[in-house]
Amino acid sequence: NAGVMQNPRHLVRRRGQEARLRCSPMKGHSHVYWYRQLPEEGLKFMVYLQKENIIDESGMPKERFSAEFPKEGPSILRIQQVVRGDSAAYFCASSDREKLFFGSGTQLSVL
Amino acid sequence: DAKTTQPNSMESNEEEPVHLPCNHSTISGTDYIHWYRQLPSQGPEYVIHGLTSNVNNRMASLAIAEDRKSSTLILHRATLRDAAVYYCILRAQGGSEKLVFGKGTKLTVNP
Repeated sequence: NAGVMQNPRHLVRRRGQEARLRCSPMKGHSHVYWYRQLPEEGLKFMVYLQKENIIDESGMPKERFSAEFPKEGPSILRIQQVVRGDSAAYFCASSDREKLFFGSGTQLSVL
Repeated sequence: DAKTTQPNSMESNEEEPVHLPCNHSTISGTDYIHWYRQLPSQGPEYVIHGLTSNVNNRMASLAIAEDRKSSTLILHRATLRDAAVYYCILRAQGGSEKLVFGKGTKLTVNP
């Protein structure tokens, strides 16, 4: 079984550009979670999705950030008009309802 | 939001046992105690979880106090690869809710 796949591993964007981060959950998992980790800080929950539905977005910034998990294909975390403060590691996880399985993350660097 | 308290850091020697404590005095009857760890530059990794009874798996053991207000993660023989940040997290029974990560305990393993 392949684990949770995130791509790209590293993403460089200039201020004002858009960043798209992709997450393919483990086979059979229909729950996806996104977390952000700023340098030298802890993991902060962003959003929890099930197929085609956002269940909990309490950790999502109100502007510029959006997430989706379509019926077919990976989950996407989209950041519009990136700023330097968006530079962080973004982790996604999928769940078998008992425990979470995390991907290796996408390191976003905003120049 | 984290409802657990852990020491910021601990140190151990290679091949010695390590006991990582966690206090969760406000735990409810339906909360499971989960442990995850995060190795440098990687996503978090599930370690173990339990409700009331002590639990063992290939990675570690979890000892839960009788009143459930505290627990201890036991690594029986620490290796250099066990150097990581260890997170103790409460999660509702049967829940698919998000995991809320605190600051965790940074474990250093000395050769």
